[in-house]
Amino acid sequence: SQTIHQWPATLVQPVGSPLSLECTVEGTSNPNLYWYRQAAGRGLQLLFYSVGIGQISSEVPQNLSASRPQDRQFILSSKKLLLSDSGFYLCAWVPPFAVRGSSGNTIYFGEGSWLTVV
Amino acid sequence: AQSVTQPDIHITVSEGASLELRCNYSYGATPYLFWYVQSPGQGLQLLLKYFSGDTLVQGIKGFEAEFKRSQSSFNLRKPSVHWSDAAEYFCAVGPNTNAGKSTFGDGTTLTVKP
Repeated sequence: SQTIHQWPATLVQPVGSPLSLECTVEGTSNPNLYWYRQAAGRGLQLLFYSVGIGQISSEVPQNLSASRPQDRQFILSSKKLLLSDSGFYLCAWVPPFAVRGSSGNTIYFGEGSWLTVV
Repeated sequence: AQSVTQPDIHITVSEGASLELRCNYSYGATPYLFWYVQSPGQGLQLLLKYFSGDTLVQGIKGFEAEFKRSQSSFNLRKPSVHWSDAAEYFCAVGPNTNAGKSTFGDGTTLTVKP
């Protein structure tokens, strides 16, 4: 079966420091990968998605960047964190389009990473 | 562009009472619709989905949802709520394209009174 792991689960970072959140998916090949941010009391905002290695699409202009160095690895980064970057970050995957079948674009989420910028 | 509205930010029901969470969507074609649930500090879990066919879909944990094209709605229901159902619920719409992107509503927080 497929699993998704993201870490760290909790992070407290000072303003201006770098950030690296990592996510890996197991049990599938060539998944679509996503980073979402969830601010307190708000819905999910899609930050980045990737349909393949090295292919990154950014949904909103921001202080963050994403990379996909391997098929099942997705990394969210920042060179200098802002206070406004605080939030709950969720990594997620969707089966590749060619094999979705009856599951469609069902999204499978990781457990999330709490980031507090102080 | 696709969008989702969940009109109720917060709903409180008594344990054993029935529940209905509202979801309205805007989408230009036949939508792919989802309901997800999120417990505090956790990721989201799929409750149910609608792609085509029977407009009443059954999900996990005793939940069901009905797709009504004429009303652009996909409301979530449960006949008898349990205390463990307290969580945040998200409705989502998304085309089954290569990008596979979904748009989420802002969520409804469910509180269950004993």
